[in-house]
Amino acid sequence: AQSVTQLGSHVSVSEGALVLLRCNYSSSVPPYLFWYVQYPNQGLQLLLKYTSAATLVKGINGFEAEFKKSETSFHLTKPSAHMSDAAEYFCAVIPGDSGAGSYQLTFGKGTKLSVIP
Amino acid sequence: GAGVSQTPSNKVTEKGKYVELRCDPISGHTALYWYRQSLGQGPEFLIYFQGTGAADDSGLPNDRFFAVRPEGSVSTLKIQRTERGDSAVYLCASSLKGHSSYEQYFGPGTRLTVT
Repeated sequence: AQSVTQLGSHVSVSEGALVLLRCNYSSSVPPYLFWYVQYPNQGLQLLLKYTSAATLVKGINGFEAEFKKSETSFHLTKPSAHMSDAAEYFCAVIPGDSGAGSYQLTFGKGTKLSVIP
Repeated sequence: GAGVSQTPSNKVTEKGKYVELRCDPISGHTALYWYRQSLGQGPEFLIYFQGTGAADDSGLPNDRFFAVRPEGSVSTLKIQRTERGDSAVYLCASSLKGHSSYEQYFGPGTRLTVT
């Protein structure tokens, strides 16, 4: 079984500051990892995904995440926060093999990002 | 092109009533998923369709919940005898195929409130 832990239900940063949202996972097989963003009253939008290629993954809107197997982490970063980044962010995992559940996203509880002008 | 659409966007119902939530996936997507997002939580998997059949309904909380996809496109999530604990946002997603390598595209959700 897999699970996702997101440290910090709410993170506040100043505009222009570094954004760091933490995600740790557990998975019985090498996983695929995802970050989604959810704006108010909108559906989830994929920011980026790790699928066992490069460990540093670049996504949309200037976000990137690094897969660290030894730390079972997949933290999301952005060098300079913008007001439009204020949203809720979800880390998710899927088992990377072709076995049972290889389509079922397991999400963390989410981290709400506030950007202070 | 058009994304995943869900109707209604909001639904308020009384405890004990029956509700139907509709999902229109992206055209050509064979895989369809339902998730439920309770307040302060991440989405939780409910059911997965590959084509017309429910390939995995292990996430449905009990037998009051049922979903169909009769023609392999539109899906309806049905909840009988609603309870206050069913209040949540119900999210639908679709993907080209049902495997981790295919991105799941999410709809805006239906917010269900049971009074």
